[in-house]
Amino acid sequence: AQKVTQAQTEISVVEKEDVTLDCVYETRDTTYYLFWYKQPPSGELVFLIRRNSFDEQNEISGRYSWNFQKSTSSFNFTITASQVVDSAVYFCALIQGPGNTGKLIFGQGTTLQVKP
Amino acid sequence: NAGVTQTPKFQVLKTGQSMTLQCAQDMNHEYMSWYRQDPGMGLRLIHYSVGAGITDQGEVPNGYNVSRSTTEDFPLRLLSAAPSQTSVYFCASSYSRGRTEAFFGQGTRLTVV
Repeated sequence: AQKVTQAQTEISVVEKEDVTLDCVYETRDTTYYLFWYKQPPSGELVFLIRRNSFDEQNEISGRYSWNFQKSTSSFNFTITASQVVDSAVYFCALIQGPGNTGKLIFGQGTTLQVKP
Repeated sequence: NAGVTQTPKFQVLKTGQSMTLQCAQDMNHEYMSWYRQDPGMGLRLIHYSVGAGITDQGEVPNGYNVSRSTTEDFPLRLLSAAPSQTSVYFCASSYSRGRTEAFFGQGTRLTVV
């Protein structure tokens, strides 16, 4: 069975701290796709990053970075020098495969609160 | 280019009433899906479609119907609303090839009393 686990329900940090959001996934597919979405207090879902199973290169986008490790089935998300605007719920998701079916399996979400 | 448009944004229903949540996308995406978001449970798939005329059930389909007569539209029908269907509903669309990320509508907050 396919599953996504975000063990951290809530995280609270002070502005400028670094914070890592954990994501562990389960799948038997050899080709799969992982995502991170941000849900700010306004409620919409904002796409952050896509990673496919055959590309293990880590990625950095400004203050955001992602560490994809197939050996541990993890796809962790780090925010460097957090800001109040980073306060949101963050979801890790996996496409229910095999391949691209368009059906997403979401983790429970991690609520990040960044205090000034 | 509006992306994915959901209507209404808010709705209050009485138990037993029926209604349709509308979803439209203008990106010519083949895949469309409906999810519900409940506290502590992330988003769960209700129904999905891989193209016009083709739909299938997701994880939590009971109490909901869908149809897809065009590529652009994917309405979700609540047949007889129950308090357990109080939730936030999201419609999403994506390509079948190439870019795989889903684009989401703004969401519909539904309360059943």
